[in-house]
Order: sequence, then C-alpha cells, then structure tokens
Amino acid sequence: DAGVTQSPTHLIKTRGQHVTLRCSPISGHKSVSWYQQVLGQGPQFIFQYYEKEERGRGNFPDRFSARQFPNYSSELNVNALLLGDSALYLCASSLTTSRPYNEQFFGPGTRLTVL
Amino acid sequence: AQRVTQPEKLLSVFKGAPVELKCNYSYSGSPELFWYVQYSRQRLQLLLRHISRESIKGFTADLNKGETSFHLKKPFAQEEDSAMYYCALSGIAAGNKLTFGGGTRVLVKP
Repeated sequence: DAGVTQSPTHLIKTRGQHVTLRCSPISGHKSVSWYQQVLGQGPQFIFQYYEKEERGRGNFPDRFSARQFPNYSSELNVNALLLGDSALYLCASSLTTSRPYNEQFFGPGTRLTVL
Repeated sequence: AQRVTQPEKLLSVFKGAPVELKCNYSYSGSPELFWYVQYSRQRLQLLLRHISRESIKGFTADLNKGETSFHLKKPFAQEEDSAMYYCALSGIAAGNKLTFGGGTRVLVKP
C-alpha cells in the first residue's frame, strides 16, 4: 500500500479561480480529513468525512467545500481563490473516528500557489 | 475551544545531549495528545500518542493533566532526530479532528 495519495503535487492558480484537490485514503480506511498548512504554521483542520458524511468542519469560509465518494476517496474544492489560500493542503485518513482506531495517516500534500 | 501551544520555534542541541520539546494545551474535557514528526522531504507521521504509553525512537511523553502539558523528551539526541515536531490534540467532543501547535524545529548538531 502506497499510503495516502494526493493529486496534484503542485498547482498554480490565479485569484478568483477554482481548484479541486484529490485524496485517496489507505485501503480500508473510511475517514478522510483535510488540513491547510500555511508556511511556518502547524496544520489547521478544514473538514472531516466518515462513511461519506461530513463529521466536522473547521473555521473556513463557505468557499471551501469537500465530499467523500463511495470508494472513500475525497475531493476538496476551493472557489474564488484568494492570495491567502496559498498553502500546503494535507489529506489524512484513519480507520474510524473513534479511539483507538483514529490514528490519522497523512499524505504528502498538494502545494497550492495563488498568484 | 481547544488550543495547543509550542513555545519554542527552534531547538538546537548537540548530539548526545538531552532534548525536551514543550507542549501545552487547553481543552475542557478528556483530550487525546499526539506528537507528529516531519523529517526533511517526508510526510507528516505519528511519533507517539499518550494512550499508547510507548517509547518510540527513544522519545517519551507524559500527559500532565494538572499542568495541561505533554512535553516530548529524549535523553540522548541523535543527528537523525533533526526534524519538525508538532504536538496535536484531539477531543471526543470535537470528533477526530486534530488541533496542531505551531511546531518546533529540532536541529541536532554533530
């Protein structure tokens, strides 16, 4: 198993555009979470999905949305991009959301640059 | 609200010296605490979690609920310990979401 995979690796967009980031969890994992990591800071929680349902949402504007598919892969969408959206976007998967099976395994991230 | 604070941005130690990374948290309830590590050009990975009570790569961390701390310690630092370390918290009330501290960069000099 390659672990959590994310695509694309890097992305350059201009202000006002839309972006879709993709994540494939570890096989058997049913929960996917998304985090935003701005340079020099720790990751910040955006969304969590479990069994295709949203289980949590962080303090992000409605421009950010996500969904989880029947195969447990996930997409993060960001509309009307702003310069401040430039960051590393991390996806993490876990077996469940309950202890002790809630260890989150992270993907390599997608580096988004907004010009 | 839950918050994690890592007061040191950078820790520089010599090989063989002890290293301690501080982590303080605020959470009203029963938190679960983690230390994640990111080595150069690698993905973020779990180093240890307090419920496991394990020692991983010589690192230990004790949850002190009275002081709301979860400091990470290693008695003898190695060059391969040079990395970025993040303390994180998860609370039952908040589902499984992780709240991270700002991170501490550890540099172990030969």
